Parts: sequence; structure tokens; C-alpha cells
Amino acid sequence: DIQMTQSPSAMSASVGDRVTITCRASQGIANYLAWFQQKPGKVPKRLIYAASTLQSGVPSRFSGSGSGTEFTLTISSLQPEDFATYYCLQHNGYPRTFGQGTKVEIK
Amino acid sequence: EVQLVESGGGVVRPGGSLRLSCAASGFTFDDYPLSWVRQAPGKGLEWVSGINWNGGTIGYADSVKGRFTISRDNAKNSLYLQMNSLRAEDTALYHCVRDSGTYSPPDYWGQGTLVTVSS
Repeated sequence: DIQMTQSPSAMSASVGDRVTITCRASQGIANYLAWFQQKPGKVPKRLIYAASTLQSGVPSRFSGSGSGTEFTLTISSLQPEDFATYYCLQHNGYPRTFGQGTKVEIK
Repeated sequence: EVQLVESGGGVVRPGGSLRLSCAASGFTFDDYPLSWVRQAPGKGLEWVSGINWNGGTIGYADSVKGRFTISRDNAKNSLYLQMNSLRAEDTALYHCVRDSGTYSPPDYWGQGTLVTVSS
């Protein structure tokens, strides 16, 4: 089964900062990688799919890149509403696997 | 409007069984694969199981393989998860999710049903 290693597990950042989160797959998954944002008490929200396609309605400060085994979520200028936990998900067939999550906190 | 409403959660003793259900509406049910995703209290997301549109392709996480069974009834617009031999580590909020297509990630999530395994 494919393992997803997400880093960092937590980070502190300020409004306006550029934030980068990484997911590494234990084997190649082409571009079958999505990114989700979860706020406390809420269901996850899909931000990016197919590694780099922005979900409709998601601000353009979010972007995704990568293919194969290395993937990145970038927030170009962190906004107050972006403080949340972020997860990657590989969906290259079954079973699927989430990364461990990255909690982005206010510095 | 897409709606996914889970039911069937509760408190069960270790070794016990539960059957979760998910009632779907607002879309053509048999056009979409579906999955169960769980989240233990204060922990991350864990994909549990998935099923394609007609039940012909099914997958499980290693942590539940041999204990959980996913199924669907397209005539009833419903998804199920039969959970046997439950363990304390199965305690979680279980979400029914719609995958946006074959080999596609979830696009809609239910609010979840809570399963607590405790003696």
C-alpha cells in the first residue's frame, strides 16, 4: 500500500507569509493527489485535485504542484481564514491514503 | 443539493458489531463511487473503504481489512459499512463521502456518525 509522508506536522506563520506544505508518496502516483483544508468542527474542504487543479471557488493564493512522488501545497500570502489543518490524499486506486496533516497556527 | 446523511453510530463493546448507513440525495447515486473516511477524536483523517458505482471494485485500509465490509444499494441510494470485531482504536467519527469520479478524490462529505468502542 502507498504511504504518504506529510511535512511539517505543524507550523507557526504570520498573516502575509508564504507557506509551503509537502507530501511524499512511497511510490509513484502520477498526479492522483488532492489537498484538503479542515477547520475545527467542520468537514474537510477540497482545495486542489489532480495535484495542481484549483477547486472552483478556492482563492488563487492556493496552488499545488508536483507529480510522481513529491507534491507541494503553497499558500502565497497567508490570510487569517487560512489557519487550519491541511491534508493531502493520494487517490491512485484503492486503498487510498491521507497524509498525517499539517496544522497551520498563528505566530 | 448533494446531501449525505450517516446513521447507525453508537457505543459498542470491544468485539461487537455495528452497521453504518449513509442516505444520499441530490445527485444520480449510481454515477459515483463512494467511500468511508474516519477521524478519531483529535486525530487526522483516515480513509477506511471505498466502492465503485456498481460494487464491482472495493478497497479497504489495512487497519480494517477482514473486519469491515462496504456495500451499496443503488435502488435505495444508500451506502453501508458493516463493522465487526470492533476495537477501541476504531473509535471515530465516520464520514460518508462522494468521490467526484473514478480515480477522483472526494467532493462532498456527510457530517458523520460517531462510533465509540468501549467496555
